[in-house]
Amino acid sequence: EVQLVESGGGLVQPGRSLRLSCSGSGLTTGDDAMSWVRQAPGKGLEWVGLITSNVYGGTTDYAASVKGRFTISRDDSKNTAYLQMNSLKIDDTAVYYCTRAAMAYPGYHFDYWGQGTLVTVSS
Amino acid sequence: SYELTQPPSLSVSPGQTASITCSGDKLGDKNACWYQQKPGQSPVLVIYQDRKRPSGIPERFSGSNSENTATLTISGTQAMDEADYYCQAWDSDTVVFGGGTKLTVL
Repeated sequence: EVQLVESGGGLVQPGRSLRLSCSGSGLTTGDDAMSWVRQAPGKGLEWVGLITSNVYGGTTDYAASVKGRFTISRDDSKNTAYLQMNSLKIDDTAVYYCTRAAMAYPGYHFDYWGQGTLVTVSS
Repeated sequence: SYELTQPPSLSVSPGQTASITCSGDKLGDKNACWYQQKPGQSPVLVIYQDRKRPSGIPERFSGSNSENTATLTISGTQAMDEADYYCQAWDSDTVVFGGGTKLTVL
C-alpha cells in the first residue's frame, strides 16, 4: 500500500524559507513522478509543481505563482521528496499535499495523496 | 493560461443522479480526471483518463469528456457522496484544477 507522509510545515515570517519533506512507502520515488498541490484555507486546489521520474530525467515544472521561489527535489536513497520554499509570501499560506503523479500521456493525474502539512506565513 | 470552469454548487436528492460539469477550451482533446474531497480530508481520485475508475471507487461514479466539457456523473447519489469535487487536466506542461463544485445531498 502506498503511503505518503508530509512534514516540515509550520509558522514562518514573510520572506523566510521553509522546506517540506514527503516520505514515501510502498513506492519508489525515483520510479514515480511526484508532485505538490496546495490548498489555501477555504479555497480550492492549486498545483505547485512536479518532478518527473528518473526515466524522464527528473525534470521539474512549476506553477507560475511559485516559479523561481520554490524548488522540488528528491533523495531516492531515502525515498523522500522535498519542496524548498524561499521568499515566502502571505499568499503561500496553505495546506501542502504531496502526491504521486501517475502518467497519463500527455499529462498526469494524482492517485495517492499525503495527509497534508499546514504552512502559515505571517509576521 | 488554461482555465477549467465548474459550477460552484449542486444539490441533489438521495438516489438521484448528480452531473458535475467541467468546461475548458478543447478539453475533450485532453485527459480529464476528478477528485473528491470531504471536509478535513485529503482529496481522493475518483475518475482518471476521462472515464476510468481507480480500484475501490464505487461503480456509481462515471465520467465522460467530449469537445469542451468533461462530466462526472454520480448515479444513485448517497449521503456519503456529499463533498467538494474538482476536475483536473494537463496543459502546456502545467496542471490545471477547476475551481471545485460543492455537492450537497439533501
